Amino acid sequence: DAGVIQSPRHEVTEMGQEVTLRCKPISGHDYLFWYRQTMMRGLELLIYFNNNVPIDDSGMPEDRFSAKMPNASFSTLKIQPSEPRDSAVYFCASSYWGQGVNEQFFGPGTRLTVL
Amino acid sequence: TQLLEQSPQFLSIQEGENLTVYCNSSSVFSSLQWYRQEPGEGPVLLVTVVTGGEVKKLKRLTFQFGDARKDSSLHITAAQPGDTGLYLCAGVGSGGSNYKLTFGKGTLLTVNP
Repeated sequence: DAGVIQSPRHEVTEMGQEVTLRCKPISGHDYLFWYRQTMMRGLELLIYFNNNVPIDDSGMPEDRFSAKMPNASFSTLKIQPSEPRDSAVYFCASSYWGQGVNEQFFGPGTRLTVL
Repeated sequence: TQLLEQSPQFLSIQEGENLTVYCNSSSVFSSLQWYRQEPGEGPVLLVTVVTGGEVKKLKRLTFQFGDARKDSSLHITAAQPGDTGLYLCAGVGSGGSNYKLTFGKGTLLTVNP
């Protein structure tokens, strides 16, 4: 398996622009998580889905952030409009709860820089 | 809010030395995980500890879960340059929140040859 795939790997944009991050989870996994990592705050959970349904979005910082999962093999995280404080590395992770072990498999991340 | 404090934040040692890093919380977790993250990559799970007092070994790495399930430690024996990376602990919630992980900020370990 190719693992969790994220695109783009790097994104540089200007304040006010719309940014869309993409994730393809591992096939067969029923949970998908979006995280943000910064030096100041560490790794923070933004939102997670179970069987394509958003379960907990309490970590989404503001209405400027939105996430969708239209099918089991694709999810997006959108920031509109973007701000410099959104600069961070965004990770997508997936897991399969069938074995009762919460092992999350992370993608390589998207490094976002908002100028 | 459940918080995990990791110490030290940074650690730079010479190859062959031993080290211990710590993960502490005021909250009880159903289990605790340790991940290692290398530059430009996502975290990778090393181990999950579930029972209070549990000790798990992974080659030169020894993980311990505190009796009260609030803290954990990671001990590395004879560190090697390949051990360099960011070590993250993550607490697994209980009940309806057991799908959520709460991460510490990590210990950045550098092992110099």
